[in-house]
Order: sequence, then structure tokens, then C-alpha cells
Amino acid sequence: GPKVLQIPSHQIIDMGQMVTLNCDPVSNHLYFYWYKQILGQQMEFLVNFYNGKVMEKSKLFKDQFSVERPDGSYFTLKIQPTALEDSAVYFCASSRDWGGADQDTQYFGPGTRLLVL
Amino acid sequence: GQQVQQSPASLVLQEGENAELQCNFSTSLNSMQWFYQRPGGSLVSLFYNPSGTKHSGRLTSTTVIKERRSSLHISSSQTTDSGTYLCALVYGSSGNKLIFGIGTLLSVKP
Repeated sequence: GPKVLQIPSHQIIDMGQMVTLNCDPVSNHLYFYWYKQILGQQMEFLVNFYNGKVMEKSKLFKDQFSVERPDGSYFTLKIQPTALEDSAVYFCASSRDWGGADQDTQYFGPGTRLLVL
Repeated sequence: GQQVQQSPASLVLQEGENAELQCNFSTSLNSMQWFYQRPGGSLVSLFYNPSGTKHSGRLTSTTVIKERRSSLHISSSQTTDSGTYLCALVYGSSGNKLIFGIGTLLSVKP
């Protein structure tokens, strides 16, 4: 099926540092998403993004988080500064459309495992 | 708030047996999406199913909106089916978001 790539696969950083997680979505997809999964817990929605704008964000999407996709390059999640509770696997997803049809199907990347020390 | 409940939490089968995984939701939705999460964590989309029944090989998904439930049926299970199965409610009015269940951990023994 369609492939979403994420770089890096693992990242270890010290608390307070900045980190940028990169996502290469499916080429003809227009909607982009970030999800967070803490080990052993439920996958949770962070944010969705379309046409250069955040459309919806959850309570987990703290002020320290930001997303962008400059000029059709990587879709990025930046955390600045990081906190211990940011340690999790972050999954990027993309979909062609939204509104109730098969084109809404979200395809996920393999995740970036972030460890904040 | 939005709630998605999956059952059973875990399931152990002998190879060749069938499995029925359930997902119940407590809010209106655009659709239901089923995923297989590999032991390493990556997700594979199995079905996008707003209503009715869909088939893919040994897998069948049925969503009944009025009853607020969706199911995933695995027939003739194989050891390679082992892993976590997640259902997610496709929800949103300004772009979609997925609201995930906690998952069903399936173990198929030879």
C-alpha cells in the first residue's frame, strides 16, 4: 500500500532541547496528521494539517509543539523545549481527502521513537 | 467525550481457528478504520469501513452504525496474524482525526 516515511526512527535528547521529527507523506495526499503513543497505551491524536494550516489540535498538542510543511517538503513536528513526558512514539499519517469516503483512509509511517532524558 | 471500546483485550487461538474482534463506539462518526499494529509498532491499514461489510482475503469487516459497533473477523488464523489489532473511529468536522481503541492482542499458536 501507500508508504509514509519517517526520519529519524529513533531520537534521544536531553530535556529542554529542541527536536524536529520529519515525515514524508504519500505523494498525492493533502491531509497530514501526527499521533502520539506512549508505550503500552492508546494511540492519541495530536494535530491535523491541511493547506498550510492546522485544522484541529488536541489537548496533547502543547504550546511547545508546532507543525509545518514548507514548500511541499517534509511535514514536521517540532518540540521546543522538550519535557520528560514527551517521551513516546510519534506517528505521522496522511490521507488524500476527508469527509466519509475511501480517500479518507489514513496511512501511517513506522513511527519515531523519542526518548527525552 | 468520544469513546471507543475494543474487546476482547487479548485472544489466544490455535492456528486454523477463527477470531471475532469487536469495537463499540459512543458517538457519531464518519467511518471506522481497522489497523494491524506489528510487534515493532508500525501500523497497517486493513479496512476503511463507514458501513456494511467489506472483505479482504481472510479478513471481513462489518460496521453497523445504528448499533454503534464494528467487527473484524479473521478466518483460518495463521501464526503470522499475531499482533495487535486496533479499531479507530474516524471523526471530525474540520478534517479527520482517528480516535483509537486500546487494541486486541492476538496470539496464534501453531
